[in-house]
Amino acid sequence: EPEVTQTPSHQVTQMGQEVILRCVPISNHLYFYWYRQILGQKVEFLVSFYNNEISEKSEIFDDQFSVERPDGSNFTLKIRSTKLEDSAMYFCASSDTHSNQPQHFGDGTRLSIL
Amino acid sequence: GDSVTQMEGPVTLSEEAFLTINCTYTATGYPSLFWYVQYPGEGLQLLLKATKADDKGSNKGFEATYRKETTSFHLEKGSVQVSDSAVYFCALSDRTGGGNKLTFGTGTQLKVEL
Repeated sequence: EPEVTQTPSHQVTQMGQEVILRCVPISNHLYFYWYRQILGQKVEFLVSFYNNEISEKSEIFDDQFSVERPDGSNFTLKIRSTKLEDSAMYFCASSDTHSNQPQHFGDGTRLSIL
Repeated sequence: GDSVTQMEGPVTLSEEAFLTINCTYTATGYPSLFWYVQYPGEGLQLLLKATKADDKGSNKGFEATYRKETTSFHLEKGSVQVSDSAVYFCALSDRTGGGNKLTFGTGTQLKVEL
């Protein structure tokens, strides 16, 4: 069964540094998402992406965050100047249509900011 | 805004016991409802879904019925196994505003013992 893959599985970064989290969505999917889960808290929506542009974003997704689909397969989340509170598990997801179809998640990247 | 409320965990059961994990939701439109499961060290996997009132989603012995009148989507399984030990997330997707983001509950940890 096709999978969403995320790299790296664990990223450790100094506060203030830039970090890029990478995702390869399922190949025929058109809608892409990032979520995060701070330890012990609920999974929170960050951003959705379709047709090479952001379709929706949450209040969490401020100017420090950006997303990009640099080629036909990768989908990246960039955090420009990381803060301690950015430490979390970041999940990428994709779906093949907009309505009613479930989102398929990757195994996540654990981001630790020191 | 949209929200999902799940029963607090952890839930500890003996093997072959009956499982219920309660989930209620608040949404402005007509959401689709999902249960996701997260096994230790892994990402979120779709367990089952229901897209309209009175639909019953089922998979691997788990069931949940979309109850519009009580705004609920409780997860049930007649006989749990040790391998069902995981964290279970109830989620909704409400397309009323044009988006497709998932709103998650806090998750309920299930521990099944021999």
